[in-house]
Amino acid sequence: EDQVTQSPEALRLQEGESSSLNCSYTVSGLRGLFWYRQDPGKGPEFLFTLYSAGEEKEKERLKATLTKKESFLHITAPKPEDSATYLCAVQAGGGTSYGKLTFGQGTILTVHP
Amino acid sequence: DSGVTQTPKHLITATGQRVTLRCSPRSGDLSVYWYQQSLDQGLQFLIQYYNGEERAKGNILERFSAQQFPDLHSELNLSSLELGDSALYFCASSVDSGFYEQYFGPGTRLTVT
Repeated sequence: EDQVTQSPEALRLQEGESSSLNCSYTVSGLRGLFWYRQDPGKGPEFLFTLYSAGEEKEKERLKATLTKKESFLHITAPKPEDSATYLCAVQAGGGTSYGKLTFGQGTILTVHP
Repeated sequence: DSGVTQTPKHLITATGQRVTLRCSPRSGDLSVYWYQQSLDQGLQFLIQYYNGEERAKGNILERFSAQQFPDLHSELNLSSLELGDSALYFCASSVDSGFYEQYFGPGTRLTVT
């Protein structure tokens, strides 16, 4: 069964204090790893897709990286508006769960001014 | 705004009742997914439809059913509701079936009393 574990559960940063969120996964045949941002009471907002180990993607203060067993979301010089829950999800190849995303429990990020 | 719409935004109903949640995918997207988000379980995949046909199934209860119509909108029907069905229900869509990023709607918050 596909499994995704995110750490830490919660992270408090000061504005400008860079850090990383971790996503460890176990999946048979990874086809894609996805990062989403979710604000309270809202739907997840798509951030990145990573397909193969060694791949990196950037968007403003966020950078996502992928290895064979985990992914990191690096946040550089965060601002209070970066406060949200960050979700990691994996998609396995083929079978009966073709389009299914398996999500981790998320990391709640709070950035203090 | 992801382009995915869901109605209603909030729904309060009693145990034993039946409700229907509606989702319209982004323009051009053929695949629709339903997810349930509760505090203890996180985001859980329920079911996927692609161009009107069921494509993948998660741990969806027998009391729950879904369909996708010719205009590509989808409905999730929940019957014999129990207190434990209270959750946020999200619809997501993607351009095709398989390994594509999914864009989530704003969700329907269901409260069963």
